[in-house]
Amino acid sequence: AQSVSQHNHHVILSEAASLELGCNYSYGGTVNLFWYVQYPGQHLQLLLKYFSGDPLVKGIKGFEAEFIKSKFSFNLRKPSVQWSDTAEYFCAFASGGSYIPTFGRGTSLIVHP
Amino acid sequence: NAGVTQTPKFQVLKTGQSMTLQCAQDMNHEYMSWYRQDPGMGLRLIHYSVGAGITDQGEVPNGYNVSRSTTEDFPLRLLSAAPSQTSVYFCASSPGTGISLDYGYTFGSGTRLTVV
Repeated sequence: AQSVSQHNHHVILSEAASLELGCNYSYGGTVNLFWYVQYPGQHLQLLLKYFSGDPLVKGIKGFEAEFIKSKFSFNLRKPSVQWSDTAEYFCAFASGGSYIPTFGRGTSLIVHP
Repeated sequence: NAGVTQTPKFQVLKTGQSMTLQCAQDMNHEYMSWYRQDPGMGLRLIHYSVGAGITDQGEVPNGYNVSRSTTEDFPLRLLSAAPSQTSVYFCASSPGTGISLDYGYTFGSGTRLTVV
């Protein structure tokens, strides 16, 4: 069965630190990949997505992610986090013919000012 | 404003009661889904629909029913509520395939359900 693994369940950083959240998926075919963010008390919002083309995807708020097909990975990065980045982050993917995303368990990020 | 509207925002049910969580979107999206969010479990797909009149089961469908009589609405019915169904429920929609590659799911604000 297709699945998504997020390696870090809880991450605590200080402001200005760099961030990398790991995401691996298990599916052998074409995939569409997503990162969503959920701020405390709010619903999920799309950060960025990859369908095809340049494997380095830039999203909102300075986030980016790199699709490495050989590693089945789609890690999320940000060079310098801010306190306002405190949130839960979800990786998701949809197989090429599905368009119904499967979500990872999420990573809780806390950024200390 | 355009988007996905869920009602109610909060609900407390007694074990064995039934209820319907409402979801409506005004973006003419083909795809709609229901997820439940539980601590440490992420979002798990309950049911989804790829168009009016078409529904299918997701990862955790037991205890829930859905129907899609119109493009706009996708209600989720709890047949006989159980404490294990205490969760936050999110409805989401997307344009679906063939329309645009520039899609991502748009989520509603959620319904927090407690079953006692």
